[in-house]
Amino acid sequence: KAGVTQTPRYLIKTRGQQVTLSCSPISGHRSVSWYQQTPGQGLQFLFEYFSETQRNKGNFPGRFSGRQFSNSRSEMNVSTLELGDSALYLCASSLDVTGGSGANVLTFGAGSRLTVL
Amino acid sequence: SQQGEEDPQALSIQEGENATMNCSYKTSINNLQWYRQNSGRGLVHLILIRSNEREKHSGRLRVTLDTSKKSSSLLITASRAADTASYFCATDAQTGANNLFFGTGTRLTVIP
Repeated sequence: KAGVTQTPRYLIKTRGQQVTLSCSPISGHRSVSWYQQTPGQGLQFLFEYFSETQRNKGNFPGRFSGRQFSNSRSEMNVSTLELGDSALYLCASSLDVTGGSGANVLTFGAGSRLTVL
Repeated sequence: SQQGEEDPQALSIQEGENATMNCSYKTSINNLQWYRQNSGRGLVHLILIRSNEREKHSGRLRVTLDTSKKSSSLLITASRAADTASYFCATDAQTGANNLFFGTGTRLTVIP
């Protein structure tokens, strides 16, 4: 079956612009999570969506937003880009396991590499 | 932060040797996972160990978990050049939230 697909793979923007990244999860996976990866901060959780609802949110400013569509595809948006937003943005999908002792195994896409100039 | 830390940050070994990476975390967990990342790519799930398990094997991988010390180790036996990658541990939070907290990673280089 097809894996997690992220588009675009690479993009370059300038400060102040906005960007939208797209993620298509594995068929049947209803949970989509987004992570930001930078050399300095490592992998940081951005947010998680399930059934078109944001279920969890990390500690990022309001410039970072996302949404999920009825087909589970997800987009994230970053407005008013800053140099520090340069990062690899990773999307991951999973079968929904709601807390408790369940295991949330993530399948990652290849990422979208954003460079802000 | 609940983020874990891997030790060492970087490890370089000869092909055929064993590689051991350690992970420490801060809060109680339901389970701990290990992921691998080739340079600039997405992460790939390797193995999951639950909080009530102490050791788990998968092929050349062996994972241990010590919840009293809040630590885990990943052993890769008979390493190959293709094992060159970064390895991350990831923990959940016992809050019911579905997000994982990733460690800082160990960069493994296997020299042919």
